[in-house]
Amino acid sequence: KAGVTQTPRYLIKTRGQQVTLSCSPISGHRSVSWYQQTPGQGLQFLFEYFSETQRNKGNFPGRFSGRQFSNSRSEMNVSTLELGDSALYLCASYSGAVPSGANVLTFGAGSRLTVL
Amino acid sequence: GEDVEQSLFLSVREGDSSVINCTYTDSSSTYLYWYKQEPGAGLQLLTYIFSNMDMKQDQRLTVLLNKKDKHLSLRIADTQTGDSAIYFCAESFTGNQFYFGTGTSLTVIP
Repeated sequence: KAGVTQTPRYLIKTRGQQVTLSCSPISGHRSVSWYQQTPGQGLQFLFEYFSETQRNKGNFPGRFSGRQFSNSRSEMNVSTLELGDSALYLCASYSGAVPSGANVLTFGAGSRLTVL
Repeated sequence: GEDVEQSLFLSVREGDSSVINCTYTDSSSTYLYWYKQEPGAGLQLLTYIFSNMDMKQDQRLTVLLNKKDKHLSLRIADTQTGDSAIYFCAESFTGNQFYFGTGTSLTVIP
């Protein structure tokens, strides 16, 4: 069973540009969440998509957006990049079903974004 | 339910036990988790505990939960150099909202 795949793994952008990151969840998983990881802030929740709908949203500005496709693949976009957006962006998936037990998030390896 | 705190660093000698601590503020969490992140990788689930349990043991790992004090700990017995990583605790509510701690960087000294 393939894991969660994130592309690209590394990218460098300049301030003001925009970036799109992609995440392919584990087959059968309908929920995809995005997190931003920085040394100072730890793991910050961005948003969660389930069946093409945003189900939960963290406390990030509107420059951060996402979407999910019918095959559960998800993309996140950051517009008008700022230096502070430099981070590791992690995607995680799980089945999304109403839990009768623990819901285990499976993470991808992340996309490392550097903004110059 | 968003305040999950951990100490930033822990250093232990190989063969000793490591104890990583976590405090959280929301008592309505249903499950609490421990994840491990190795350099250049995503997070990997180590273990989890249901909120009405006090303890869970899984090979070298022991999770203790003190719900009254909202304190969670992870004990790693016989710590090895391969255990060097960042460890995150996390809590979940209703199954689809997860909040992670700040992460504890464990260094194992040979």
